[in-house]
Amino acid sequence: QKEVEQDPGPLSVPEGAIVSLNCTYSNSAFQYFMWYRQYSRKGPELLMYTYSSGNKEDGRFTAQVDKSSKYISLFIRDSQPSDSATYLCAMSAGGTSYGKLTFGQGTILTVHP
Amino acid sequence: KAGVTQTPRYLIKTRGQQVTLSCSPISGHRSVSWYQQTPGQGLQFLFEYFSETQRNKGNFPGRFSGRQFSNSRSEMNVSTLELGDSALYLCASSLEEGGAFFGQGTRLTVV
Repeated sequence: QKEVEQDPGPLSVPEGAIVSLNCTYSNSAFQYFMWYRQYSRKGPELLMYTYSSGNKEDGRFTAQVDKSSKYISLFIRDSQPSDSATYLCAMSAGGTSYGKLTFGQGTILTVHP
Repeated sequence: KAGVTQTPRYLIKTRGQQVTLSCSPISGHRSVSWYQQTPGQGLQFLFEYFSETQRNKGNFPGRFSGRQFSNSRSEMNVSTLELGDSALYLCASSLEEGGAFFGQGTRLTVV
């Protein structure tokens, strides 16, 4: 079983929809949680960064972390065609392991005009 | 502020050869990590260097190695290339908080 599980999709939604992306994990040592967006043939772009449990909002994006359930989510409001990409969750344990990220498989999102 | 720079962007090598990839981190970032991305396995951690020392290592064979220089620039080397080494190799730099920032990657094709 993988340490981080993410539904690969693909996920297809109409423009303006609210998108929900999720990951579950098994390693209770994870403390830092990130969401990345990756366009085809590009490197991952950091969207959201959260430490421990709680919510964080940045524009149309909201990240939620529930450490008790080992479950993290990314919500995208008013989705746009430019949001079409692969979304990756990532996490690390912190301390001297901070630079070692464990990724989910990625969810392919398509937003239709 | 300049982002993470990886060179070269594309490489084609023959089985059995070796290859060296380069990564220049964001100024001030002392941690540099390397990842391999393939369609089947996704993004997998190779190793991390911090202040010129390997701090973490993933589950890859010894053919994969790296180093970091005093200016935090890092190189990754793969010896005795195999067809299965064809992948996008990504470098990320980070501070102790705030997430990791990735370069555009080097796409390696082994023929």
